[in-house]
Formats: sequence, C-alpha cells, structure tokens
Amino acid sequence: AQKITQTQPGMFVQEKEAVTLDCTYDTSDPSYGLFWYKQPSSGEMIFLIYQGSYDQQNATEGRYSLNFQKARKSANLVISASQLGDSAMYFCAMRELANTGNQFYFGTGTSLTVIP
Amino acid sequence: EAGVAQSPRYKIIEKRQSVAFWCNPISGHATLYWYQQILGQGPKLLIQFQNNGVVDDSQLPKDRFSAERLKGVDSTLKIQPAKLEDSAVYLCASSRFLGQGNTEAFFGQGTRLTVV
Repeated sequence: AQKITQTQPGMFVQEKEAVTLDCTYDTSDPSYGLFWYKQPSSGEMIFLIYQGSYDQQNATEGRYSLNFQKARKSANLVISASQLGDSAMYFCAMRELANTGNQFYFGTGTSLTVIP
Repeated sequence: EAGVAQSPRYKIIEKRQSVAFWCNPISGHATLYWYQQILGQGPKLLIQFQNNGVVDDSQLPKDRFSAERLKGVDSTLKIQPAKLEDSAVYLCASSRFLGQGNTEAFFGQGTRLTVV
C-alpha cells in the first residue's frame, strides 16, 4: 500500500489566491512526522513545513499552513496569497518514528502553476 | 550552516559505463540518504546510512548499485554498469539523528544522470 498519496497531479491558482494541496497517508505507527517539500524547476528540494503526529495545533510557517486531520489521515498544505514564485512541484512526505528505518516516504507530487 | 553538497551536477554516460556520485552532508548529521528521482515521479529511497552503517538498502539494485559512507561523513554512490533506465536525478539528503528530535531532511541540489 502507498504510504503517501497525492491525488492532484497538477493544480492551477490565480496569483494572490489561496490553494490547497491534498495529501493522505497510511501508517500504523502512533508516532510520525509529516513534511511538505517544494521542488522548483532547478531541482533542489526545499523544506516548507512540518507536523508531528502528537502536535495539537496545525503547523504554520509564513504563508504555508498544514491542515492536519489525524482521524482522516490527511495533511493538506494550504498556501495563502499565492505568488508566481510558488510555481513548482510539491511533495508530501512522512517519517515513521517507531520504524527502525526511519526513512522518509514521499508522494508522487503535485505540480502547482500560479497564473498572473 | 553549509548545505548538503553533491557533485557532479550533471553527468552523461553511455550504457554499460560506470559512474560515481559524491555527497557531503551537513556537519553533524548522522543520517544520510540517497534517493533516485525519475522525471515526473517522487523521490525513491535507494539507501539510508546511520553514521557509517546501512539502515535500509532494500530498494537498491545491488547487482549494479553500490554505496559507501566511510568514517560516517562523505558518501559515494556508484552505478556499474549503467542502464538506460538509470537516467534520473540522484538526490542526497541528510538529517540529524532522530534521538535528537524529529527533524526534516536537507537535500542537495542533485546529480542529473543521463544514460545514452
């Protein structure tokens, strides 16, 4: 089974509008972390935001916020006030803490295009 | 702090040739990962080191891929012989040991390999 599922291959958003990128995950580990990364066309992976499974509040980092719904196993990324520079691939990832490997599992990504 | 360094940035080789990639993680990061990212897909973990020991290499094609992390710092990933399907971006990432808190992985800029 897929550990991380991103069902939106591509998304478009008008500049200055908000956009939500979906992510669902699958784990039986009670302790895990959820991450979002941005990958521009230049190729580097840029860390955006982190949510721990025991965190009570949804994570926020500037214009990025994570809509964490634990019971539904979803961790959607919300980008507010979109900018042209937000056009990139976005990857959701999970790290299971009880798993001895502690590896990061990545989704297939969502390509976001911001329209002027 | 300096980021994850990778070299070379680009490499073109003929099939059946060999190639090596180098990675220098962030100082103090015990965990090092090598990922393969085929165009249009999410990163796939090839191998994970904890210091100089292998934690997970279950998805490494061991008949042609090898990796080492001598002295728990720098790492080298080798492909010998290369196949056309090895064309991808090879990403190196590092993170602090999980016992020091759940932290994100920091990625290098990647090596784009083209096998012709």
